[in-house]
Amino acid sequence: GQNIDQPTEMTATEGAIVQINCTYQTSGFNGLFWYQQHAGEAPTFLSYNVLDGLEEKGRFSSFLSRSKGYSYLLLKELQMKDSASYLCACLDGTALIFGKGTTLSVSS
Amino acid sequence: EAGVTQFPSHSVIEKGQTVTLRCDPISGHDNLYWYRRVMGKEIKFLLHFVKESKQDESGMPNNRFLAERTGGTYSTLKVQPAELEDSGVYFCASSPGTNTEAFFGQGTRLTVV
Repeated sequence: GQNIDQPTEMTATEGAIVQINCTYQTSGFNGLFWYQQHAGEAPTFLSYNVLDGLEEKGRFSSFLSRSKGYSYLLLKELQMKDSASYLCACLDGTALIFGKGTTLSVSS
Repeated sequence: EAGVTQFPSHSVIEKGQTVTLRCDPISGHDNLYWYRRVMGKEIKFLLHFVKESKQDESGMPNNRFLAERTGGTYSTLKVQPAELEDSGVYFCASSPGTNTEAFFGQGTRLTVV
């Protein structure tokens, strides 16, 4: 079956580093996406991993291990505006299979 | 460049009524997707168009839902007749290719009472 697990909530303080983990089991796999979603807004693309390893993009990095069915999103130098929901999604065929999302709260 | 736009942003209808949601994808994007998020659950895939053709409609819940994309531009998703469990946020997304980033609209929040 299709299953994507990520923590429901996380909290952190400004300037800190936070890692959001995601484990997945899907029938097909064409890559893993991370999206950010602020309340009432559209999900926006953060990263895409299709090969094992770390992809770095500014303050955000994403890691993938296909053999372990595991990914994480690393956010550095946290800012208040990073408070949002972070969605892990696997591409199965051409459809995205989403986790429930991790709500990150950043405090000062 | 305009992003993916969806109309309306909110809709409240009574059980048994019909509602039509519209999505205008980013110009030039052949791939258009519909997703839905029911309260408390994850975003779930409904269907995928490539131009005007339905590539995958495996996520459509039942035959009360009808999606069209005449001319391969904008798409509509009609729910007829609406039931209480159809309430949720309906997202549309588009992409230039199938294994590339999908750009999402802000969603239509549908409430069936």
